[in-house]
Amino acid sequence: DGGITQSPKYLFRKEGQNVTLSCEQNLNHDAMYWYRQDPGQGLRLIYYSQIVNDFQKGDIAEGYSVSREKKESFPLTVTSAQKNPTAFYLCASSIKARLAGDNEQFFGPGTRLTVL
Amino acid sequence: EDQVTQSPEALRLQEGESSSLNCSYTVSGLRGLFWYRQDPGKGPEFLFTLYSAGEEKEKERLKATLTKKESFLHITAPKPEDSATYLCAVQESGSARQLTFGSGTQLTVLP
Repeated sequence: DGGITQSPKYLFRKEGQNVTLSCEQNLNHDAMYWYRQDPGQGLRLIYYSQIVNDFQKGDIAEGYSVSREKKESFPLTVTSAQKNPTAFYLCASSIKARLAGDNEQFFGPGTRLTVL
Repeated sequence: EDQVTQSPEALRLQEGESSSLNCSYTVSGLRGLFWYRQDPGKGPEFLFTLYSAGEEKEKERLKATLTKKESFLHITAPKPEDSATYLCAVQESGSARQLTFGSGTQLTVLP
């Protein structure tokens, strides 16, 4: 089955620690995204990547880092510099737009990060 | 700056009671408007994409419509399994496929 997987589902971090969230897709999608979701708020874009070895900051990139060494993988590291990291993190992917109908983003199941 | 506002924040319906959810948006040029359904603790599930004013799309009890300033998600004769948070997102022309999301409408359908 094609899809997007995120791991772990739940993650607990002590203050001062860096943690890495995994995102893998087997949809052969070119673009991948990381969003953060807080209660009562919409999804906010952290980082996105349109091609391997290239990525751009989103609206709330401070305290986060990413890499895109393979088309299938886009891991997110939450660093100790992120002041309020407790949130629900969502990874998404989309194909490279060639036609008007190719813009949908498809989401993984999410990782809930809690800072202890 | 893109703005997406969804209303109401929460909606409770009786089973079979039809209603509509609203998504108002402000963008300099709309490339697409997207509707997603999100169940608690899960990732959003794609429902519809609308591209131009006057466009409509349907899926089971859901129908999405688009004008130049807003989109409506009409729910006809809802069932309890339609309970979820419905998210709206817009993509601006030339935005490298970035989406701006509204905060969602939490729908509860009572049996």
